[in-house]
Amino acid sequence: AQSVSQHNHHVILSEAASLELGCNYSYGGTVNLFWYVQYPGQHLQLLLKYFSGDPLVKGIKGFEAEFIKSKFSFNLRKPSVQWSDTAEYFCAVNANSGNTPLVFGKGTRLSVIA
Amino acid sequence: GAVVSQHPSRVICKSGTSVKIECRSLDFQATTMFWYRQFPKQSLMLMATSNEGSKATYEQGVEKDKFLINHASLTLSTLTVASAHPEDSSFYICSAASGGMSYEQYFGPGTRLTVT
Repeated sequence: AQSVSQHNHHVILSEAASLELGCNYSYGGTVNLFWYVQYPGQHLQLLLKYFSGDPLVKGIKGFEAEFIKSKFSFNLRKPSVQWSDTAEYFCAVNANSGNTPLVFGKGTRLSVIA
Repeated sequence: GAVVSQHPSRVICKSGTSVKIECRSLDFQATTMFWYRQFPKQSLMLMATSNEGSKATYEQGVEKDKFLINHASLTLSTLTVASAHPEDSSFYICSAASGGMSYEQYFGPGTRLTVT
């Protein structure tokens, strides 16, 4: 069975600081990888995804993530965070075999302070 | 992009009543829909996978007689919480996938259920 581990429960950063949120997954086969963001009171939004190809993927709002297969990792990065990035971030994975459900990590709450 | 809607967005009901939540894919046909549950400050947990025209597949620990899922068309899936109790209070989120080689799922905005 798949599992996803997000290392940080709550991250607090000042504006303009760089961000890296860790995500590791456990699965024996080929996977698709996703990062979602959930702003307070809002629904999930897809930040970026990796299916195949270039392991460095760029998403919306200046976010990027790098798939390192040997480490089973898909860490999310942003060079300079803004107050508006305050949200909950979820890493998710599903099997690369059609319509399979997503397995989510427990989420990381990011608080950006002025 | 693809849009998924959920109705209602928020519902408050009394213990013992049943509540139906609708999930619609507005601009694409969803061969598969997923239902997740999110407790406060926690992650999304998969409840069931629903394929159009067939019975839903429930995750271990999810009571199929309590959480009734119907996927009658390629654009609509419903989740009915039968005889709801306060412990069923949660945020219910659906997602829809169009099938084929597209692995992306599109999430609905969620339904906040409060059982009093």
